[in-house]
Amino acid sequence: DQQVKQNSPSLSVQEGRISILNCDYTNSMFDYFLWYKKYPAEGPTFLISISSIKDKNEDGRFTVFLNKSAKHLSLHIVPSQPGDSAVYFCAASAYHSGAGSYQLTFGKGTKLSVIP
Amino acid sequence: NAGVTQTPKFRILKIGQSMTLQCAQDMNHNYMYWYRQDPGMGLKLIYYSVGAGITDKGEVPNGYNVSRSTTEDFPLRLELAAPSQTSVYFCASSIGPEETQYFGPGTRLLVL
Repeated sequence: DQQVKQNSPSLSVQEGRISILNCDYTNSMFDYFLWYKKYPAEGPTFLISISSIKDKNEDGRFTVFLNKSAKHLSLHIVPSQPGDSAVYFCAASAYHSGAGSYQLTFGKGTKLSVIP
Repeated sequence: NAGVTQTPKFRILKIGQSMTLQCAQDMNHNYMYWYRQDPGMGLKLIYYSVGAGITDKGEVPNGYNVSRSTTEDFPLRLELAAPSQTSVYFCASSIGPEETQYFGPGTRLLVL
């Protein structure tokens, strides 16, 4: 059962426009959410995060919104640039009492293509 | 800083062979992780470590073993390779339990 869902496998956006990537989760114990960006043949790199006590976090062109009641978060990229073309993974963190530590659960990713 | 390094970049194994995927970090991070990513899927946690000498299972540990004798190194061992272990393996590290994880470039493994 997928606890973190990215229902759009791909997204194409014109350069300069807004890109909106969506993520839904089912586990109410998640308390920290992250977005990672991944280029081909490279490891994921951290992009932006948000704590469950906030509803918005902004970093330059990137903004993450969290709607806890809907168990939904989104990543907005404005304006989109060709260099933003990559796979974006949503991840959520929860404490695992059996393991005694926090663990990340990843979505399947959304491939963003920004068209010049 | 080199960050998180992984070797090899790519390997082909025959069924039943064994190998060790190497991972090292030079950021003095206590936490280290091994993930696998299958095509079209998200990353799944195999094992993690909260410090030298301490390791624990993640979501998909079967068929793998790990050790953590130093802060820097966290090798992943496959004892009897199976086709289901064909995947891309990523190592990551973080300074703390809910801090940003930094990933290595990955090892692509093909088991035939």
